[in-house]
Amino acid sequence: KAGVTQTPRYLIKTRGQQVTLSCSPISGHRSVSWYQQTPGQGLQFLFEYFSETQRNKGNFPGRFSGRQFSNSRSEMNVSTLELGDSALYLCASSWGNGENSPLHFGNGTRLTVT
Amino acid sequence: DQQVKQNSPSLSVQEGRISILNCDYTNSMFDYFLWYKKYPAEGPTFLISISSIKDKNEDGRFTVFLNKSAKHLSLHIVPSQPGDSAVYFCAASAEYSGGGADGLTFGKGTHLIIQP
Repeated sequence: KAGVTQTPRYLIKTRGQQVTLSCSPISGHRSVSWYQQTPGQGLQFLFEYFSETQRNKGNFPGRFSGRQFSNSRSEMNVSTLELGDSALYLCASSWGNGENSPLHFGNGTRLTVT
Repeated sequence: DQQVKQNSPSLSVQEGRISILNCDYTNSMFDYFLWYKKYPAEGPTFLISISSIKDKNEDGRFTVFLNKSAKHLSLHIVPSQPGDSAVYFCAASAEYSGGGADGLTFGKGTHLIIQP
């Protein structure tokens, strides 16, 4: 069974630009979550999508947005990039309901903002 | 305010011995706890989880213990192997669904080094 796939693996962008990251969940998983990992803050929750609807949202500014498609694939968008947005962005999928539904992570997209 | 704390940034253990990784939490609403392992340049890999209705869960060499009164959990790895060298993250959720209303709250991680 294929794992969570994130593309691209690496991105370099300039301040002020926007970026779109993509995530394909494990087959059958309906929940997709996004996390940001930085050396200072660790892993922080961005948002979660379930059945094409944003179900939960972390404490990030509106520049961070996402969406989920009918096939459960998800995209995350960051607009007006800032230097502090440089981070590893991790996508995770799960069944999304009930017990014993741990998150399974992809290998991430490393975003560098210059 | 860190709701999940892993107070040991690193831990060194001899191969074959027991590795014990600790995690403390402050939010009494947390009811589902997970451990993840992370190698460099890879995403976290799910290891084992425990719900608040249990105090122990075992899977092969990995056992997680939960002490709700102390708001403390630990991961035991027996016996430790060289491939166990990685960063281990403790995570908690306030809903019994793996993600929860506020997602998973992670600790900052403990770097486990297994010495040959």
